[in-house]
Amino acid sequence: AQKITQTQPGMFVQEKEAVTLDCTYDTSDPSYGLFWYKQPSSGEMIFLIYQGSYDQQNATEGRYSLNFQKARKSANLVISASQLGDSAMYFCAMTGSSGYSTLTFGKGTMLLVSP
Amino acid sequence: GAVVSQHPSWVICKSGTSVKIECRSLDFQATTMFWYRQFPKQSLMLMATSNEGSKATYEQGVEKDKFLINHASLTLSTLTVTSAHPEDSSFYICSAIGLAAGVDTQYFGPGTRLTVL
Repeated sequence: AQKITQTQPGMFVQEKEAVTLDCTYDTSDPSYGLFWYKQPSSGEMIFLIYQGSYDQQNATEGRYSLNFQKARKSANLVISASQLGDSAMYFCAMTGSSGYSTLTFGKGTMLLVSP
Repeated sequence: GAVVSQHPSWVICKSGTSVKIECRSLDFQATTMFWYRQFPKQSLMLMATSNEGSKATYEQGVEKDKFLINHASLTLSTLTVTSAHPEDSSFYICSAIGLAAGVDTQYFGPGTRLTVL
């Protein structure tokens, strides 16, 4: 079974600063994928970034980067230069080696960006 | 990126009635779609996996006769909440698998907020 743990229920950051959202995972699958999604108050889940378990380099997408430490089983999301529009719920999720990309989600971290 | 739509975005119904929610992949074909349920301030809970042309696979604890899923085409899956009751009030989100940088990625619809009176 897979498990995602997000230990930060809420985070505060000031505009233009960087913030790290923590995510640790547990799986027995040799191959897996790690995802981060953003859910603003509107409810839509927005895909942010993906990291494969065999990827040698950390994933980056614009202001988002994933700090992947395989030995520690962590996949923290780093948001650089925070913007007010980054205020939202953030979910870490993972897939295993099953064929249908079923996602296991963490409980989420609420990020609030202040001016 | 891949776009997934849901309709309606919100619905209020009386107890005992049935409600149908549609999930469409707008610019890609999706053989597999997923239905989730989310309670306030909680994470997403997978209800079922919907496969085009075959029966849906339900997660443990989800009533098949209560939540009817039909995936009749490669771009449309529907979830029907039958004989809805107030405890069925929730936020229902669907997703469809598309490709992002060569990786199967779930793209989510905007969700449907169901309130049963």
